[in-house]
Amino acid sequence: QVQLQESGPGQVKSSETLSLTCTVSGGSISSYYWSWIRQPPGKGLEWIGYIYYSGSTNYNPSLKSRVTISVDTSKNQFSLKLTSVTAADTAVYYCARMGSHAPAAWGQGTLVTVSS
Amino acid sequence: QLVLTQSPSASASLGASVKLTCTLSSGHSSYAIAWHQQQPEKGPRYLMKLNSDGSHSKGDGIPDRFSGSSSGAERYLTISSLQSEDEADYYCQTWGTGIPDVVFGGGTKLTVL
Repeated sequence: QVQLQESGPGQVKSSETLSLTCTVSGGSISSYYWSWIRQPPGKGLEWIGYIYYSGSTNYNPSLKSRVTISVDTSKNQFSLKLTSVTAADTAVYYCARMGSHAPAAWGQGTLVTVSS
Repeated sequence: QLVLTQSPSASASLGASVKLTCTLSSGHSSYAIAWHQQQPEKGPRYLMKLNSDGSHSKGDGIPDRFSGSSSGAERYLTISSLQSEDEADYYCQTWGTGIPDVVFGGGTKLTVL
């Protein structure tokens, strides 16, 4: 059974770049789409973007100018970079494996707080 | 614009059934959706994919108490024999066409009385 684990700094300063990595275990990263999704405290889910194992990507239009998702098949990992962060980017960030256009396996999430 | 609308809250008694609704925006009534459950202080869990004809395919280990149905632009999640652990937020989610964007509804907070 595939498992996903997010990792990265729990705190990022305003205007800097948020960087997270998702490590996939129990299965290969190949042949699937992989997503990043976030959830601000007390709020709903927001899709950030997804990447295919081959490297093609699609991003949420509202975040597109600040987001880069990349994949490293040799490490069975994919990563998120979000530039110029503000307090509005404070959220729990989840990685997920997509199945039939829906997140079918979720990581446990990691809280990232943007501080001034 | 592809939008999913959910009621913010719902409640039902232990052992009873509840039907949660997710409404697709105008012009998108043929779209399939997915349902996800998020228990308190936990990450979401995929429940099922639900097609416009009401057919659905559930994720691994999802109990038979969870079922889906459709009518027009509305997609439903029915939970029968409610248990305390069903108290959670439930999100519907869909996707666009072409190189599809992923869209979430605002979520429904289910309270089990």
